[in-house]
Parts: sequence; C-alpha cells; structure tokens
Amino acid sequence: NAGVTQTPKFRVLKTGQSMTLLCAQDMNHEYMYWYRQDPGMGLRLIHYSVGEGTTAKGEVPDGYNVSRLKKQNFLLGLESAAPSQTSVYFCASSPRTGGFGYTFGSGTRLTVV
Amino acid sequence: GQQLNQSPQSMFIQEGEDVSMNCTSSSIFNTWLWYKQDPGEGPVLLIALYKAGELTSNGRLTAQFGITRKDSFLNISASIPSDVGIYFCAGRNYGGSQGNLIFGKGTKLSVKP
Repeated sequence: NAGVTQTPKFRVLKTGQSMTLLCAQDMNHEYMYWYRQDPGMGLRLIHYSVGEGTTAKGEVPDGYNVSRLKKQNFLLGLESAAPSQTSVYFCASSPRTGGFGYTFGSGTRLTVV
Repeated sequence: GQQLNQSPQSMFIQEGEDVSMNCTSSSIFNTWLWYKQDPGEGPVLLIALYKAGELTSNGRLTAQFGITRKDSFLNISASIPSDVGIYFCAGRNYGGSQGNLIFGKGTKLSVKP
C-alpha cells in the first residue's frame, strides 16, 4: 500500500516557468489537500478538495491552481513560478468519516530561481 | 486568520530526558492532533484527541486535550535519538469545514546522545 505519492520529489524552475505537481493516493480517501511548508511558518493550506470534481481555496491560494478530475489524484499547478513559491509542498488525504487521519506524502522540494 | 501558538519553537535535550510541548488557541477546538515530521519526510500522525480532558498515550508519548478546549500538550518520556524531528500540533474548530484544520508552526526537537 503506497499511501500518498508525490511526484516529482525535487524540481528547480526558472521564474515564469510553469509546472504541475502530482499527488496520488490509493486509500480511496474523499478529501485531499495541498500544503506548503516554509521555515518558521509551519504548514499552510493552499487548496483542498472534498471530492472528485470539487476544489476550494485554503489560506494561501494565490499563484496556484488545482484540479481533481479523478478521486485518487490531486494536481497542483503553478502557471508562472515566482521565487516566493520556493518551498516544500506536501499533499495529504483523509477519509470523510472516521476521524482525522490525514496521511501526508513525502513532499516536493521546489526551488524557483 | 486563526492561529495556533505552539511552544517552544525548538528544544535541545539530552537523551533520556523528558520533553513537554504545548499548543494554545484563541478559539475552541473539537479535535486536537499531534504529528511528527522526520527530516525529508511528510508529517505522520502520532495522537488524535477528540474530547476535552482526554489523555491518550502512544508508547512513550502522551497527549492531553485541555479542559478549556483551547490547548493541548504533548509529553515524550525518556527521549531517544530517533525522537529527533519537528512536532506539529493541529486543531479543528467547531463547525469548520475540512479545510479548517489549522497547524501550529512546529517544535523542532534535537536529542544529544
């Protein structure tokens, strides 16, 4: 059982480039989330989804877009990367019921130069 | 937005010592969670608390849901080198959507052998 898988693990982008981070979960979880982690800032929610075809903004959504076309996948897109988006990105998923067992992926370290 | 105050920000302790950290919130939470993040990995759930006053243990870890519903504590007894990492508290408030799980900024624990 893989849990939550994030790809890629590392990426360096030039300012203005675009990219998509992929998150895949095999636990049949309804809810999925994208967080960014910066030193001293903890985990900040970017966007989340409560089901296939639905997305919602979190605390820091600007500069990011997301899509949830399939229940098991949650994509995070950067249309025009900026140095301020240098961060470690974590995807997580959780079931709709049964408590708060957020399962996190191992992260994507993104550097924008 | 809502904030969780987690303290201390960092700790340097000797192997074998006990550790205490806590989180406080300005508003009431109905769920408190404690996560641990190993270097280069995503956070992993350690303990979940669902009732005010609840005291729950997981091996050498013990966490409590404060009576006021505005705080939570995590204690680690007899620390060992593998306890090194960042510990996050997280809480969810009454009536919040799945997007309202709020994380503290973390306590970075270092253990000297």
